[in-house]
Amino acid sequence: DADVTQTPRNRITKTGKRIMLECSQTKGHDRMYWYRQDPGLGLRLIYYSFDVKDINKGEISDGYSVSRQAQAKFSLSLESAIPNQTALYFCATSDPTSGGALTGELFFGEGSRLTVL
Amino acid sequence: DQQVKQNSPSLSVQEGRISILNCDYTNSMFDYFLWYKKYPAEGPTFLISISSIKDKNEDGRFTVFLNKSAKHLSLHIVPSQPGDSAVYFCAASENFGNEKLTFGTGTRLTIIP
Repeated sequence: DADVTQTPRNRITKTGKRIMLECSQTKGHDRMYWYRQDPGLGLRLIYYSFDVKDINKGEISDGYSVSRQAQAKFSLSLESAIPNQTALYFCATSDPTSGGALTGELFFGEGSRLTVL
Repeated sequence: DQQVKQNSPSLSVQEGRISILNCDYTNSMFDYFLWYKKYPAEGPTFLISISSIKDKNEDGRFTVFLNKSAKHLSLHIVPSQPGDSAVYFCAASENFGNEKLTFGTGTRLTIIP
């Protein structure tokens, strides 16, 4: 089983609908992230959480909200989806105490492809 | 404003030859740099990193070079293998240990058998 699991893997929805993307991890990491990938734009940070009580906006948080339900779970919500939120969404985790050359490394899930019609 | 730029969207290299992927950045506060590799239908995976106190880091076939004065880094893969065909992202952060990364746009590397 994957260490970082995202559900759903694919979703097609309509404009105005509420959508939740879920992420769970078994790595025991405190830090979790949501990124989106768009062609030609790379990965951009939406929200991040350094522990259960800490939620921070990233580069492109408008139109999104998050919930950190537990150390292992971090969900991303689109309250009213719009077509330009069509993208590939990635959840990631990290552990700043891992030390050495791996400090700063993010561990990504397999992605959730969202299409908003 | 793209703070991390990968100006080559794609690159094709013959198997066995050297692959060189380039990355430029504009934020002088960036202190730590990473390369990630992404296969289709999978999440990115960490490949190699370098901190600003070094100018080179090597791990097997992969070497990352950092030129701070030019705000430029490159990833060398030698020899290139078919399994290296993937999209490569460079990423940067302002602090060693700060995993809030800024990613480049990616370069699709194709290794020709």
